[in-house]
Amino acid sequence: GENVGLHLPTLSVQEGDNSIINCAYSNSASDYFIWYKQESGKGPQFIIDIRSNMDKRQGQRVTVLLNKTVKHLSLQIAATQPGDSAVYFCAEIKYTGANSKLTFGKGITLSVRP
Amino acid sequence: DAGITQSPRHKVTETGTPVTLRCHQTENHRYMYWYRQDPGHGLRLIHYSYGVKDTDKGEVSDGYSVSRSKTEDFLLTLESATSSQTSVYFCAISYALDTGELFFGEGSRLTVL
Repeated sequence: GENVGLHLPTLSVQEGDNSIINCAYSNSASDYFIWYKQESGKGPQFIIDIRSNMDKRQGQRVTVLLNKTVKHLSLQIAATQPGDSAVYFCAEIKYTGANSKLTFGKGITLSVRP
Repeated sequence: DAGITQSPRHKVTETGTPVTLRCHQTENHRYMYWYRQDPGHGLRLIHYSYGVKDTDKGEVSDGYSVSRSKTEDFLLTLESATSSQTSVYFCAISYALDTGELFFGEGSRLTVL
């Protein structure tokens, strides 16, 4: 498939449980943080984002938490389903006009046990 | 799904040969990007475009060139492919440059022997 899930950390969860995927980001000046999901054989897909002036944002079955003190971002998935199995990437962006740069993390594999 | 088509989806070529990957979008987004994805490196930006005939380098642009003659098409060319360019290449589009919401294509797997 068109994803690169080899050699990535793996989180294994039971179907129906909640999942927490964690990410440490590098730039304390980043303005905006994003989570992407990449299913096997597909390109990354935007899930949810959060601005740096927020601590928490909720979407449908997902919640993103931002802790700027320790530069930590997490994605919580409620009632994890088999379709949630994928590689998850965090990303950060610093607004600098024409040179705004989006930087991706290396990814974590989520495996959902039936 | 965003209307992004990459071609070819798979290609095997030999070292030293030229290769062109094509990205076609039907969303009329101004910004287009080429990324490569490799184990241990995640997604890395090769080149991007902010309009027709307007392109700029990303963090891993050496050995690659791009062209954008129409809003809908963004071409990535490897003038002389090397084994280090074996990778999965993703095209992405966005409506703004300072957004983290990119729409990705399905990817093109390139193997350079």
